[in-house]
Amino acid sequence: EAGVAQSPRYKIIEKRQSVAFWCNPISGHATLYWYQQILGQGPKLLIQFQNNGVVDDSQLPKDRFSAERLKGVDSTLKIQPAKLEDSAVYLCASSLDLAGGPGETQYFGPGTRLLVL
Amino acid sequence: AQKVTQAQTEISVVEKEDVTLDCVYETRDTTYYLFWYKQPPSGELVFLIRRNSFDEQNEISGRYSWNFQKSTSSFNFTITASQVVDSAVYFCALSEETQGGSEKLVFGKGTKLTVNP
Repeated sequence: EAGVAQSPRYKIIEKRQSVAFWCNPISGHATLYWYQQILGQGPKLLIQFQNNGVVDDSQLPKDRFSAERLKGVDSTLKIQPAKLEDSAVYLCASSLDLAGGPGETQYFGPGTRLLVL
Repeated sequence: AQKVTQAQTEISVVEKEDVTLDCVYETRDTTYYLFWYKQPPSGELVFLIRRNSFDEQNEISGRYSWNFQKSTSSFNFTITASQVVDSAVYFCALSEETQGGSEKLVFGKGTKLTVNP
């Protein structure tokens, strides 16, 4: 079974530029998550989708970050404009259960390493 | 709010040594789930184990074992006869209910394990 796919794997941009990341979850997984992992830290949830609806986006900096999951399958995360502090790894994860819990196992993709100069 | 503490930032051992990674958590929930993930240099988070709060039995999987103790709010992870391929950052995580009624993972800061030949 194919895992969670993400692209690109690496991205270098200058501050104030925009960038987009793509994620394709495991087939059949209803819940999709975007995490931000800053160097030396554990991942932090940015946004959670259940099918194509947002379940939790309380930690998403909405003035510059946006995400969508059209058709309830793949998803894109966008940053516009990027700041230096956005340099991080952006991880996408998916889980099978429609409700995303309780205790549902999340499976992660390889991540996108973003460097903002 | 839920919290996960991994006090060991970095551990270095020699191959074939046993090593224990500590995880202490805080939660007010009576039902919760704990997880361990491995993050090798490639960056992908690999799921290792899920444990619910009602199951305090220790678990063994090959060279890996987990010790869950509710009385001390700990969920420690032991690797027996460590190998170079075990070198990675290991994260402990706790499930937390989100504002949307679903669940998200709260991660510790991780423990970087280096196994030297």
